[in-house]
Amino acid sequence: EVQLVESGGVVVQPGGSLRLSCAASGFTFDDYTMHWVRQAPGKGLEWVSLISWDGGSTYYADSVKGRFTISRDNSKNSLYLQMNSLRTEDTALYYCAKALMRYVWGSYSLDYWGQGTLVTVSS
Amino acid sequence: DIVMTQTPLSLSVTPGQPASISCKSSQSLLHSDGKTYLYWYLQKPGQSPQLLIYEVSSRFSGVPDRFSGSGSGTDFTLKISRVEAEDVGVYYCMQGIHLPLTFGPGTKVDIK
Repeated sequence: EVQLVESGGVVVQPGGSLRLSCAASGFTFDDYTMHWVRQAPGKGLEWVSLISWDGGSTYYADSVKGRFTISRDNSKNSLYLQMNSLRTEDTALYYCAKALMRYVWGSYSLDYWGQGTLVTVSS
Repeated sequence: DIVMTQTPLSLSVTPGQPASISCKSSQSLLHSDGKTYLYWYLQKPGQSPQLLIYEVSSRFSGVPDRFSGSGSGTDFTLKISRVEAEDVGVYYCMQGIHLPLTFGPGTKVDIK
């Protein structure tokens, strides 16, 4: 059974930093591209970032580019999101999600999602 | 960025009746590999999104056959043949051909 468990969400002040983690199990983690997607309270889904199966390629939404860094540790079956220079508009539930197909680049998909971790940016 | 639009934004359905949601993309989702990368997700109340349909019309593992997807290019439809109480929630379409990935605004489905 695929499991994705996010952690690290807290209340942080504007301008602060935070690192989110996602622990993966139930599949061969280093075969799949992984994603972060966020959902502001009462709003829709916003894709944030992705990282290829080997960590060699990453991509970011313009809204977080230069402030967030995605990374992974395949030896620990873990995905991370380092969030710097946080803004109030970054307040959201952050989900990690797994790609549907292994070793695919150039088209992108999400199948399983974690339960999310809540980041609140407020003074 | 590719803009995804959905209609309607809300839908109230009698159990056992059909329902249909439209999704349109601002650019074609047909890839050079011949596949079309359009996905449908359902977010039930208080839960994470779950994949229903991938590549326009393929049902994901465990998804009931009352759910079906169709369409091509820029116009897509999700149909529920007979709505059940457990189908309530917000339905999102998503394009997977261009980065950044983008979602539709969501269609909220509830039961009459």
